[in-house]
Amino acid sequence: DADVTQTPRNRITKTGKRIMLECSQTKGHDRMYWYRQDPGLGLRLIYYSFDVKDINKGEISDGYSVSRQAQAKFSLSLESAIPNQTALYFCATSDDGTGGFRAYEQFFGPGTRLTVL
Amino acid sequence: KQEVTQIPAALSVPEGENLVLNCSFTDSAIYNLQWFRQDPGKGLTSLLLIQSSQREQTSGRLNASLDKSSGRSTLYIAASQPGDSATYLCAVRPEGQNFVFGPGTRLSVLP
Repeated sequence: DADVTQTPRNRITKTGKRIMLECSQTKGHDRMYWYRQDPGLGLRLIYYSFDVKDINKGEISDGYSVSRQAQAKFSLSLESAIPNQTALYFCATSDDGTGGFRAYEQFFGPGTRLTVL
Repeated sequence: KQEVTQIPAALSVPEGENLVLNCSFTDSAIYNLQWFRQDPGKGLTSLLLIQSSQREQTSGRLNASLDKSSGRSTLYIAASQPGDSATYLCAVRPEGQNFVFGPGTRLSVLP
C-alpha cells in the first residue's frame, strides 16, 4: 500500500463551490505539507503542519484552509473555488529532522487533479 | 530568498548515453538537497537526498553530487534507458525553512 494517499484523484467542480482534498499517511511522520503545481511555475507551498496543533501558511495560502485531524490526516479546503485554482495538488510528509542522513526527506502522494470551471 | 534553477529545461538523448542534469541555487546556506522524478500527471518519487555535510549520493545508475559553496548539484544518469524518460526536479531545503523547488528538467530517452 502507498505510504501517502490522496483523495479524490481527480475532481471537476464549478466556481464558488467548496471542495475538500484529503491526505492520509502511514509513514508515522509528524510533518505534512500541501503543494500545488502549475505548468511553468513549479511546486509552491500552500500550507504545512509540524504536528496536530501547529499549522502554518505557506507561500500561497490565500483562498485555502487546512485541517489536521490527526497525525496521519491533513485536509485542504477551497472555501469558494475559482478557475485559477485549477492545478495539480500534492500532499507530502517528512520527519522532524531526527532521521539522520534521511532527515527531512519528503515523500509525496500521487496528487489530485482539480479543475474549476 | 532562495531561488532554484535547473538547466536544461528539456533534454532528448538516445538510449545508452550517460547524461548530467544540473541544479543551481542562490543561497549556499542549505540543510539538504533532494532529487525527484515525476512522470506525467503523477506524483513525485524521491530519488536521492544529499545532506549538506555530504558530497554525493548514489543509487543504482544515479549519482547526485553537491557543491554547496558554488550553489550547484548535478544528477548523473548512467546508461540511460527509455524508462528514464520523466521530469526531474531538485529541491533545496534552506536552513530552518521549507523546501524550495526548481522548475524541473524534462528528459526524453529515445529507443
